[in-house]
Amino acid sequence: DVVLTQTPPTLSATIGQSVSISCRSSQSLLHSNGNTYLNWLLQRPGQPPQLLIYLVSRLESGVPNRFSGSGSGTDFTLKISGVEAEDLGVYYCVQSTHAPPWTFGGGTKLELK
Amino acid sequence: QVQLQQSGAELAKPGSSVKISCKASGYTFTSYYISWIKQTTGQGLEYIGYINTGSGGTNYNEKFKGKATLTVDKSSSTAFMQLSSLTPDDSAVYYCARDGGYSHWFAYWGQGTLVTVSS
Repeated sequence: DVVLTQTPPTLSATIGQSVSISCRSSQSLLHSNGNTYLNWLLQRPGQPPQLLIYLVSRLESGVPNRFSGSGSGTDFTLKISGVEAEDLGVYYCVQSTHAPPWTFGGGTKLELK
Repeated sequence: QVQLQQSGAELAKPGSSVKISCKASGYTFTSYYISWIKQTTGQGLEYIGYINTGSGGTNYNEKFKGKATLTVDKSSSTAFMQLSSLTPDDSAVYYCARDGGYSHWFAYWGQGTLVTVSS
Protein backbone atom coordinates (compact mmCIF):
# COMPACT_ATOMS: atom_id res chain seq x y z
CA ASP A 1 0.00 0.00 0.00
CA VAL A 2 1.08 3.58 -0.66
CA VAL A 3 2.26 5.43 2.43
CA LEU A 4 1.70 9.19 2.59
CA THR A 5 3.85 11.11 5.05
CA GLN A 6 2.71 14.60 6.02
CA THR A 7 4.86 17.25 7.65
CA PRO A 8 4.71 19.02 9.95
CA PRO A 9 2.23 17.20 12.20
CA THR A 10 1.29 20.50 13.81
CA LEU A 11 1.50 24.02 12.43
CA SER A 12 1.01 27.18 14.46
CA ALA A 13 0.12 30.30 12.53
CA THR A 14 -1.18 33.80 13.03
CA ILE A 15 -4.07 35.19 11.03
CA GLY A 16 -2.77 36.46 7.72
CA GLN A 17 0.35 34.31 7.77
CA SER A 18 1.12 32.05 4.81
CA VAL A 19 1.81 28.38 5.56
CA SER A 20 2.69 25.22 3.67
CA ILE A 21 2.07 21.54 4.35
CA SER A 22 4.06 18.76 2.73
CA CYS A 23 2.81 15.33 1.66
CA ARG A 24 5.36 12.77 0.47
CA SER A 25 4.38 9.49 -1.12
CA SER A 26 6.21 6.16 -0.94
CA GLN A 27 5.52 5.71 -4.68
CA SER A 28 4.99 8.03 -7.59
CA LEU A 29 1.35 9.09 -7.82
CA LEU A 30 1.47 9.62 -11.57
CA HIS A 31 -1.19 7.33 -13.03
CA SER A 32 -0.69 5.55 -16.34
CA ASN A 33 -3.43 7.77 -17.76
CA GLY A 34 -1.35 10.88 -17.10
CA ASN A 35 -3.34 12.13 -14.10
CA THR A 36 -1.98 12.42 -10.58
CA TYR A 37 -4.69 11.52 -8.12
CA LEU A 38 -3.60 13.40 -5.02
CA ASN A 39 -6.28 15.30 -3.11
CA TRP A 40 -6.34 17.46 0.01
CA LEU A 41 -9.03 17.40 2.68
CA LEU A 42 -9.75 19.75 5.59
CA GLN A 43 -11.44 18.55 8.75
CA ARG A 44 -12.67 21.37 10.95
CA PRO A 45 -13.29 20.60 14.64
CA GLY A 46 -16.36 18.43 15.10
CA GLN A 47 -16.98 18.15 11.37
CA PRO A 48 -16.37 15.47 8.75
CA PRO A 49 -13.55 16.07 6.30
CA GLN A 50 -14.28 18.12 3.20
CA LEU A 51 -12.59 18.04 -0.18
CA LEU A 52 -10.45 21.13 -0.84
CA ILE A 53 -8.19 20.25 -3.75
CA TYR A 54 -8.20 17.42 -6.29
CA LEU A 55 -5.74 16.30 -8.95
CA VAL A 56 -2.90 18.02 -7.05
CA SER A 57 -3.86 21.61 -7.78
CA ARG A 58 -7.51 22.02 -8.76
CA LEU A 59 -9.72 23.80 -6.28
CA GLU A 60 -13.02 22.19 -5.43
CA SER A 61 -16.02 24.42 -6.10
CA GLY A 62 -16.45 27.03 -3.40
CA VAL A 63 -12.93 26.74 -1.99
CA PRO A 64 -11.22 30.15 -1.57
CA ASN A 65 -8.30 30.84 -3.87
CA ARG A 66 -5.97 31.45 -0.93
CA PHE A 67 -5.59 27.66 -1.06
CA SER A 68 -3.27 26.22 -3.66
CA GLY A 69 -1.74 22.83 -4.34
CA SER A 70 1.38 21.87 -6.21
CA GLY A 71 3.78 19.03 -6.75
CA SER A 72 4.39 15.97 -8.84
CA GLY A 73 5.57 12.38 -8.56
CA THR A 74 6.10 11.82 -4.87
CA ASP A 75 6.25 15.34 -3.40
CA PHE A 76 3.23 17.57 -2.92
CA THR A 77 2.48 20.80 -1.11
CA LEU A 78 -0.63 22.57 0.10
CA LYS A 79 -0.21 26.30 0.62
CA ILE A 80 -2.53 28.73 2.36
CA SER A 81 -1.75 32.32 1.41
CA GLY A 82 -3.06 34.29 4.36
CA VAL A 83 -4.56 32.03 7.01
CA GLU A 84 -8.05 32.89 8.17
CA ALA A 85 -9.75 31.67 11.33
CA GLU A 86 -12.03 29.34 9.38
CA ASP A 87 -8.97 27.51 8.03
CA LEU A 88 -8.12 25.99 11.40
CA GLY A 89 -8.40 22.22 11.62
CA VAL A 90 -6.62 19.13 10.36
CA TYR A 91 -5.45 18.78 6.78
CA TYR A 92 -5.08 15.39 5.12
CA CYS A 93 -3.68 14.34 1.79
CA VAL A 94 -5.21 11.26 0.16
CA GLN A 95 -4.21 9.29 -2.92
CA SER A 96 -6.37 7.46 -5.44
CA THR A 97 -3.69 6.57 -8.01
CA HIS A 98 -2.87 3.20 -6.46
CA ALA A 99 -6.34 2.48 -5.11
CA PRO A 100 -7.82 0.37 -3.80
CA PRO A 101 -6.91 0.80 -1.09
CA TRP A 102 -7.12 4.57 -0.81
CA THR A 103 -4.58 5.83 1.71
CA PHE A 104 -4.41 9.00 3.75
CA GLY A 105 -1.60 11.03 5.19
CA GLY A 106 -1.36 11.23 8.96
CA GLY A 107 -2.73 14.76 9.06
CA THR A 108 -1.42 18.23 9.85
CA LYS A 109 -3.16 20.21 12.55
CA LEU A 110 -3.29 23.94 11.84
CA GLU A 111 -3.76 25.97 15.00
CA LEU A 112 -3.55 29.60 16.04
CA LYS A 113 -0.28 30.82 17.49
CA GLN B 1 -28.04 18.88 -2.67
CA VAL B 2 -26.14 15.70 -1.89
CA GLN B 3 -26.67 14.54 1.68
CA LEU B 4 -25.49 11.48 3.54
CA GLN B 5 -27.27 11.01 6.85
CA GLN B 6 -25.74 8.46 9.20
CA SER B 7 -27.33 6.66 12.12
CA GLY B 8 -26.65 7.64 15.70
CA ALA B 9 -23.93 6.73 18.16
CA GLU B 10 -23.61 3.13 19.28
CA LEU B 11 -22.44 1.65 22.57
CA ALA B 12 -21.64 -2.03 22.15
CA LYS B 13 -20.15 -4.81 24.22
CA PRO B 14 -17.03 -6.70 23.21
CA GLY B 15 -17.86 -9.64 20.97
CA SER B 16 -21.11 -8.13 19.69
CA SER B 17 -21.96 -6.54 16.33
CA VAL B 18 -23.28 -3.18 15.22
CA LYS B 19 -24.85 -2.07 11.95
CA ILE B 20 -24.45 1.55 10.88
CA SER B 21 -26.60 3.14 8.20
CA CYS B 22 -25.95 5.90 5.68
CA LYS B 23 -29.05 7.28 3.97
CA ALA B 24 -28.40 9.17 0.76
CA SER B 25 -30.49 11.93 -0.78
CA GLY B 26 -30.19 14.60 -3.42
CA TYR B 27 -28.90 12.37 -6.21
CA THR B 28 -29.44 9.04 -7.97
CA PHE B 29 -28.27 6.57 -5.34
CA THR B 30 -27.15 3.83 -7.70
CA SER B 31 -24.95 6.12 -9.79
CA TYR B 32 -22.16 6.48 -7.24
CA TYR B 33 -20.15 4.26 -4.94
CA ILE B 34 -20.31 4.58 -1.16
CA SER B 35 -17.07 4.20 0.79
CA TRP B 36 -16.57 3.74 4.51
CA ILE B 37 -13.74 5.27 6.51
CA LYS B 38 -12.61 4.74 10.10
CA GLN B 39 -11.20 7.60 12.16
CA THR B 40 -9.36 7.15 15.41
CA THR B 41 -7.11 9.53 17.28
CA GLY B 42 -4.16 7.21 16.97
CA GLN B 43 -4.58 5.88 13.42
CA GLY B 44 -6.08 8.87 11.65
CA LEU B 45 -8.23 8.04 8.63
CA GLU B 46 -8.39 4.48 7.28
CA TYR B 47 -10.22 3.25 4.21
CA ILE B 48 -12.44 0.30 5.09
CA GLY B 49 -14.05 -0.50 1.77
CA TYR B 50 -16.56 0.56 -0.83
CA ILE B 51 -19.75 -0.79 -2.29
CA ASN B 52 -21.03 -0.40 -5.81
CA THR B 53 -24.55 0.73 -4.98
CA GLY B 54 -25.87 -0.44 -8.33
CA SER B 55 -24.50 -3.98 -8.44
CA GLY B 56 -23.77 -4.56 -4.75
CA GLY B 57 -20.19 -5.42 -5.56
CA THR B 58 -17.71 -4.66 -2.80
CA ASN B 59 -14.04 -4.00 -2.20
CA TYR B 60 -12.48 -4.30 1.24
CA ASN B 61 -9.21 -3.12 2.65
CA GLU B 62 -7.36 -6.30 3.65
CA LYS B 63 -7.20 -5.02 7.21
CA PHE B 64 -11.00 -4.98 7.50
CA LYS B 65 -11.86 -8.23 5.78
CA GLY B 66 -13.89 -10.30 8.21
CA LYS B 67 -14.53 -7.23 10.36
CA ALA B 68 -16.75 -5.12 8.10
CA THR B 69 -19.60 -6.17 5.82
CA LEU B 70 -21.04 -3.65 3.38
CA THR B 71 -24.56 -3.85 1.99
CA VAL B 72 -27.14 -1.59 0.37
CA ASP B 73 -30.90 -1.26 0.23
CA LYS B 74 -31.64 0.43 -3.08
CA SER B 75 -35.31 0.86 -2.24
CA SER B 76 -34.42 3.23 0.60
CA SER B 77 -31.18 4.65 -0.87
CA THR B 78 -29.32 3.45 2.19
CA ALA B 79 -25.92 1.87 2.61
CA PHE B 80 -25.03 -0.20 5.64
CA MET B 81 -21.86 -1.32 7.34
CA GLN B 82 -21.91 -4.12 9.87
CA LEU B 83 -18.96 -4.48 12.22
CA SER B 84 -18.64 -7.85 13.88
CA SER B 85 -16.74 -9.42 16.81
CA LEU B 86 -16.19 -6.00 18.26
CA THR B 87 -13.17 -5.21 20.42
CA PRO B 88 -12.12 -1.93 22.06
CA ASP B 89 -9.88 -1.31 19.01
CA ASP B 90 -13.04 -0.90 16.94
CA SER B 91 -14.03 2.15 18.97
CA ALA B 92 -13.89 5.01 16.47
CA VAL B 93 -15.90 7.42 14.38
CA TYR B 94 -17.05 5.80 11.16
CA TYR B 95 -17.87 7.85 8.09
CA CYS B 96 -19.60 7.04 4.85
CA ALA B 97 -18.55 9.02 1.82
CA ARG B 98 -19.60 9.30 -1.79
CA ASP B 99 -17.39 9.81 -4.79
CA GLY B 100 -17.82 12.57 -7.33
CA GLY B 101 -15.93 10.77 -10.04
CA TYR B 102 -12.55 9.08 -9.68
CA SER B 103 -10.69 12.35 -9.28
CA HIS B 104 -13.16 13.40 -6.58
CA TRP B 105 -13.16 10.30 -4.42
CA PHE B 106 -14.55 11.15 -0.95
CA ALA B 107 -16.25 14.28 -2.35
CA TYR B 108 -19.22 14.06 0.04
CA TRP B 109 -19.21 12.82 3.63
CA GLY B 110 -21.76 11.77 6.20
CA GLN B 111 -21.61 13.37 9.60
CA GLY B 112 -19.99 10.33 11.19
CA THR B 113 -21.16 7.67 13.66
CA LEU B 114 -19.35 7.15 16.94
CA VAL B 115 -19.00 3.52 17.95
CA THR B 116 -17.81 2.81 21.48
CA VAL B 117 -16.97 -0.74 22.47
CA SER B 118 -16.93 -1.23 26.20
CA SER B 119 -18.04 -3.80 28.73
